[in-house]
Amino acid sequence: KAGVTQTPRYLIKTRGQQVTLSCSPISGHRSVSWYQQTPGQGLQFLFEYFSETQRNKGNFPGRFSGRQFSNSRSEMNVSTLELGDSALYLCASSLTGTGAHEQYFGPGTRLTVT
Amino acid sequence: AQKVTQAQTEISVVEKEDVTLDCVYETRDTTYYLFWYKQPPSGELVFLIRRNSFDEQNEISGRYSWNFQKSTSSFNFTITASQVVDSAVYFCALSEALLSGGSYIPTFGRGTSLIVHP
Repeated sequence: KAGVTQTPRYLIKTRGQQVTLSCSPISGHRSVSWYQQTPGQGLQFLFEYFSETQRNKGNFPGRFSGRQFSNSRSEMNVSTLELGDSALYLCASSLTGTGAHEQYFGPGTRLTVT
Repeated sequence: AQKVTQAQTEISVVEKEDVTLDCVYETRDTTYYLFWYKQPPSGELVFLIRRNSFDEQNEISGRYSWNFQKSTSSFNFTITASQVVDSAVYFCALSEALLSGGSYIPTFGRGTSLIVHP
């Protein structure tokens, strides 16, 4: 069974631009969550999508948004990029839900904002 | 509010030594879930174990073992006879139900970097 895939793996953007990251979950998994990982803040939950609906949202500004398609693939978008958005963005899929069950993570997208 | 504390930022051992990674959590919920994940240098977190708050049975999986103690709010992870391939950052995570909605959102500890020297 193929694992979670994320594209692109690396991205360099300029402050003020916007970016879209993509995540394909494990086949059959309906829950997709996104996390931001930085040396300063650690791993922080961004949001979770389940069956195309946002089910949970972390404490991030509205510049961070996401969506999920009918095939469970998910995208997250960050608008008006700031230097502090530089991070590893991890996507995780789960069979039924984020918190109560194990998650399977992708390799991440390393975003650098200059 | 929930909180996960991994007080050990970095641990360095020599191969074949046993090592214990500590995890202490705070929650007021009676139903919650605890996890351990491993993050090797490649960056992809790998699920290791899941425990619910009603199951205090310790678990052993090969060289890995977990000690869950509700009385001390701890969920410690021991690697026996460590190997170089065990070098990674290990994260402990806690999920408790939100006060409304019943959804669980995980909170991760800051991680413990384990370095195993040959």
